[in-house]
Amino acid sequence: TAGITQAPTSQILAAGRSMTLRCTQDMRHNAMYWYRQDLGLGLRLIHYSNTAGTTGKGEVPDGYSVSRANTDDFPLTLASAVPSQTSVYFCASSDSPSGGGTDTQYFGPGTRLTVL
Amino acid sequence: GQNIDQPTEMTATEGAIVQINCTYQTSGFNGLFWYQQHAGEAPTFLSYNVLDGLEEKGRFSSFLSRSKGYSYLLLKELQMKDSASYLCAVMAGSYQLTFGKGTKLSVIP
Repeated sequence: TAGITQAPTSQILAAGRSMTLRCTQDMRHNAMYWYRQDLGLGLRLIHYSNTAGTTGKGEVPDGYSVSRANTDDFPLTLASAVPSQTSVYFCASSDSPSGGGTDTQYFGPGTRLTVL
Repeated sequence: GQNIDQPTEMTATEGAIVQINCTYQTSGFNGLFWYQQHAGEAPTFLSYNVLDGLEEKGRFSSFLSRSKGYSYLLLKELQMKDSASYLCAVMAGSYQLTFGKGTKLSVIP
C-alpha cells in the first residue's frame, strides 16, 4: 500500500509563477490536510478538507488554494509564488476528524519548494 | 486560539531515559498526539492521549493531565536512532491539529 504520495519531491520556482503540488492517498480517508513546515515555526495548517467536495482554511491560507474533487486527491495551488512560500509542504490524511471521532493523521513524504 | 510549548532541544545518553514535556492552552480539547520526525522525513505517529493518565507503547510512553494542560513523552532505553524531533500536537474543538514547534533530541554515545 502506497499510503500518501506527493509530487514533486522538490522544486525550484521563479517568483510570480504558478504551481500545483499534488497529493494522493489510497487509504480511502475522508479528511485531508496541507501543512507547511518552516524552521523555528513548526508545522502550520494551510487548508483542509473534511470530505470530498468541501474545503476549509487553516492558520496560513493566504496565497494558496485547494480543491477536493474526489476522495483520493487534494492538490494545493500557488497562483503566483512569492519567496516567503519557500518551505517544505506536507500533505496528510485521516479517516474522519468530525462526528465525535478523533483520528490519527498520516503524512506524505513532503515537497521541498524553493521560490526565487 | 491555541498555544503549545515544548523545549527546543534536548540531549541524552544512549541507554538512558528522557522525558520531553509539552504544555498547552487550547479552546476545546479532543486529544493530544506525539509525532516523531527524523531530519528530512515526514512526521510519523507515536501516541495519542485523550484521557488523563499514561499510555505505554514499548519503549515509548505518553502521559496527559487535562486539568494542568500538560503532557510528556517518555523514551526509555534510548538508542541512537531515537535522535529526531518530537512534535506535540493538540486537537482542539475544531478537530484541527495545532503543532508545537518540536523538540530536537540528540542521543549521544
